[in-house]
Amino acid sequence: QVTLRESGPALVKPTQTLTLTCTFSGFSLSTNKMCVTWVRQPPGKALEWLARIDWDDDKFYSTSLRTRLTISQDASKNQVVLTMTNMDPVDTATYYCARQNWNDVLDSWGPGTLVAVSS
Amino acid sequence: QTVVTQEPSLSVSPGGTVTLTCGLTSGSVSTSYYTNWYQQTPGQTPRTLIYSTNSRSSGVPNRFSGSILGNKAALTITGAQADDESDYYCLLYMGSGIWVFGGGTKLTVL
Repeated sequence: QVTLRESGPALVKPTQTLTLTCTFSGFSLSTNKMCVTWVRQPPGKALEWLARIDWDDDKFYSTSLRTRLTISQDASKNQVVLTMTNMDPVDTATYYCARQNWNDVLDSWGPGTLVAVSS
Repeated sequence: QTVVTQEPSLSVSPGGTVTLTCGLTSGSVSTSYYTNWYQQTPGQTPRTLIYSTNSRSSGVPNRFSGSILGNKAALTITGAQADDESDYYCLLYMGSGIWVFGGGTKLTVL
């Protein structure tokens, strides 16, 4: 059974760096064609694709956010970490991690973690 | 920067047919964009309906179908049911490993 769970702070201050961890089980990120993707959703708004890390450690970022994002993995812990610098109140959102499978489908999602940005 | 466009809202009568579309502010959507469609009800995580333009995800009823219509990707719901009332998002592959969601369509069944 594939599971993912996001963890991180519920509140960050403007200009701070956000660090989120996705802990997963039921699959290995070293398996061919397996990827983990981060998506966010501001309250009442649309989904936004943020970043992806692949089985071969390739990394891809949203064009509009690439200067602020870093994605990495700790294979020994089955974790993927996303950092976002220079947080702003507009970054207030639920942040999801999801498995992207060999068909490029986001087929399993974590429950999401709500991050508020406020002083 | 190219933006992925969707109808902000649509409505359909129970038992009716509705088509949601996913386009680009510049250019046409083709099968090369590997369009995915996701359904999201309030408070829930998204559920995959369609991947790779027209492949139905496991367990998805066959009243949901994906296609290319003109210069857009399309999701058609045939025989709409009350529990199809949700937000629907398309996700396009833009190349170079980057994917982009559309702005979503709020579907009302009434």
